[in-house]
Amino acid sequence: AQKVTQAQTEISVVEKEDVTLDCVYETRDTTYYLFWYKQPPSGELVFLIRRNSFDEQNEISGRYSWNFQKSTSSFNFTITASQVVDSAVYFCALSEVTGANSKLTFGKGITLSVRP
Amino acid sequence: DTAVSQTPKYLVTQMGNDKSIKCEQNLGHDTMYWYKQDSKKFLKIMFSYNNKELIINETVPNRFSPKSPDKAHLNLHINSLELGDSAVYFCATSGGGTSYNSPLHFGNGTRLTVT
Repeated sequence: AQKVTQAQTEISVVEKEDVTLDCVYETRDTTYYLFWYKQPPSGELVFLIRRNSFDEQNEISGRYSWNFQKSTSSFNFTITASQVVDSAVYFCALSEVTGANSKLTFGKGITLSVRP
Repeated sequence: DTAVSQTPKYLVTQMGNDKSIKCEQNLGHDTMYWYKQDSKKFLKIMFSYNNKELIINETVPNRFSPKSPDKAHLNLHINSLELGDSAVYFCATSGGGTSYNSPLHFGNGTRLTVT
């Protein structure tokens, strides 16, 4: 069975600090996809990034960066120079192929609070 | 235009009642889902439909019955509501190739409160 562990439950930082959100996954699949989603206080779920199991290149998008390491089964997310608007719950998720379709297994989420 | 829209946004009802949540998407995606988010924010898949056909049914009580009248709609009907059904229910879609690598597009959620 697939599993996603987000060991950190709550993180609080002061604006402009860098923060890393950890994600560790377990799967027996050789082909899989990893995702990060953001859920701001307004409640909607916003897709941030997708990474496939064959692409271990790190990715940077503005203040966001992701570090995928297959050797440690981790897909960590770093926010540089955090801002108050980054306050949200962040979910890491793993895609499992079941026949012709898939389902996402989510981690329990990390609540990030950025204080001014 | 909202890509994935759910109605209602809030639903407050008493135990034992039957209620429905509607979901409509205009993305042209083949696959639609229902996810449940509990009070601890944990997100878990309930159902998945592909082209109106039920694909995934995760050990959800029979009181929950999804219905997909067409590719653009996936409704969730709940019979005999219980206190434990209180949660936020999210509709989602995926498409554009194999669904396992497509990101989910979520609706804004329906907060169900059973009293």
